Amino acid sequence: DTGVSQDPRHKITKRGQNVTFRCDPISEHNRLYWYRQTLGQGPEFLTYFQNEAQLEKSRLLSDRFSAERPKGSFSTLEIQRTEQGDSAMYLCASSAGTGGYNEQFFGPGTRLTVL
Amino acid sequence: AQSVTQLGSHVSVSEGALVLLRCNYSSSVPPYLFWYVQYPNQGLQLLLKYTSAATLVKGINGFEAEFKKSETSFHLTKPSAHMSDAAEYFCAVRTTDSWGKLQFGAGTQVVVTP
Repeated sequence: DTGVSQDPRHKITKRGQNVTFRCDPISEHNRLYWYRQTLGQGPEFLTYFQNEAQLEKSRLLSDRFSAERPKGSFSTLEIQRTEQGDSAMYLCASSAGTGGYNEQFFGPGTRLTVL
Repeated sequence: AQSVTQLGSHVSVSEGALVLLRCNYSSSVPPYLFWYVQYPNQGLQLLLKYTSAATLVKGINGFEAEFKKSETSFHLTKPSAHMSDAAEYFCAVRTTDSWGKLQFGAGTQVVVTP
């Protein structure tokens, strides 16, 4: 068990470009979450997958954002036509189980800077 | 809806002194509460959690927190600060939906001075 991994760790892009981030959860964790963290704030929920199904999307997730989790394994988060306001740390977390309390394990995050 | 409020965005503490980080929650149902720590350029690491068992919860690195329903609080303490405790600390509440997503506070940055 190597923990949750995210790639890339840092991404610098120009406004208007598309970016894609990848998250590899702990193997056999069926729950996967994406959060966004801006400077000086706590993480904010973006979206949730149970296996391959995307079950909830936050209002923070505009139509420029899309997330997938094919085959219930790794997940990708794509931002189209990036804006400076998208600059943030994007965190992925995974947990096991389908009910009750299950600890979320966080990855190191992808820091996005939009110039 | 659940929410947490962390009092104090920055706390400075001397090495060896008590660390006290304040968290108040709002929840319509018995909450699950968490404290996470984040070191620079890293993800979040779980320090401890309250899941309706013992009200005094012990976590890693010598931290503990006490759930007080009457005060709707879940303050984090450590008797003696170490330089390695310098980090950002987040209080979080688990939402009541089935997905288990977390609602975080704004965080408290801890600085430890020699």
